[in-house]
Amino acid sequence: GQQVMQIPQYQHVQEGEDFTTYCNSSTTLSNIQWYKQRPGGHPVFLIQLVKSGEVKKQKRLTFQFGEAKKNSSLHITATQTTDVGTYFCAGASGSARQLTFGSGTQLTVLP
Amino acid sequence: SAVISQKPSRDICQRGTSLTIQCQVDSQVTMMFWYRQQPGQSLTLIATANQGSEATYESGFVIDKFPISRPNLTFSTLTVSNMSPEDSSIYLCSVATGGSSTDTQYFGPGTRLTVL
Repeated sequence: GQQVMQIPQYQHVQEGEDFTTYCNSSTTLSNIQWYKQRPGGHPVFLIQLVKSGEVKKQKRLTFQFGEAKKNSSLHITATQTTDVGTYFCAGASGSARQLTFGSGTQLTVLP
Repeated sequence: SAVISQKPSRDICQRGTSLTIQCQVDSQVTMMFWYRQQPGQSLTLIATANQGSEATYESGFVIDKFPISRPNLTFSTLTVSNMSPEDSSIYLCSVATGGSSTDTQYFGPGTRLTVL
C-alpha cells in the first residue's frame, strides 16, 4: 500500500535558525497536504498543494511539491518558539480512497 | 472549515470495559473519520463513518472492537470495546468538508484514553 515517510523524525533548532522537513511518497500523489500539531493539541490544516512543482508561502513557511508529485518539503525561515510542534504531510494517490499521513517531524525550538 | 467537539476529552478506564466517544460537528458533512494516534506517533485511520450505513473499516480494525454509529450528518460515536492497556491512545474524529475522503480534513480536539 501507499507509504509516506518524513525526515527527519526529530529536529532541534535554536530560535532564529531555519528548519526543513521532507516528505516522500512511494506513489505519485494527486495532492499533498500539511498539518501542524502543537504539543497536547490536534492536527491543524496548513496548506494543500496540487500542481507539479507548486510552491506556496505562508509568511515564514514555504511549501513545495516535487515535479514528480512524489515528494514535498516544508521550510520555515527564522524559527520562533511558536513554531514548536509536529508537522505532518498527508497525501493520496489517484486511486486511493483515504489520506495517508506521514510519520511526522517533531520540531523543538530552543529560545 | 468546521468546528468539531469531542466528548469526553479524556478518560481512565478499567480493562474489559467499553467507552463511547462522541463527535459533534457544527455543520452537515458527508465525510467523517475516526483516527487513533499513539503517543509520539502518526495518525492511523480506524474507519470512515458513513451516514445511514455501516462504517468502512481499515485493515486491522473490526466492527466488534470499534463499533461506530453515524445517525446523521453532524454526529458520530466510536466505541472502544472490551478495552485492554494496548487501547490506550488518543482518538480523533475528523471531517472532510469537500466531497472527497482525500480532501482537507479538520480534526476534533481528541479523546485521551488510558486503560489500566
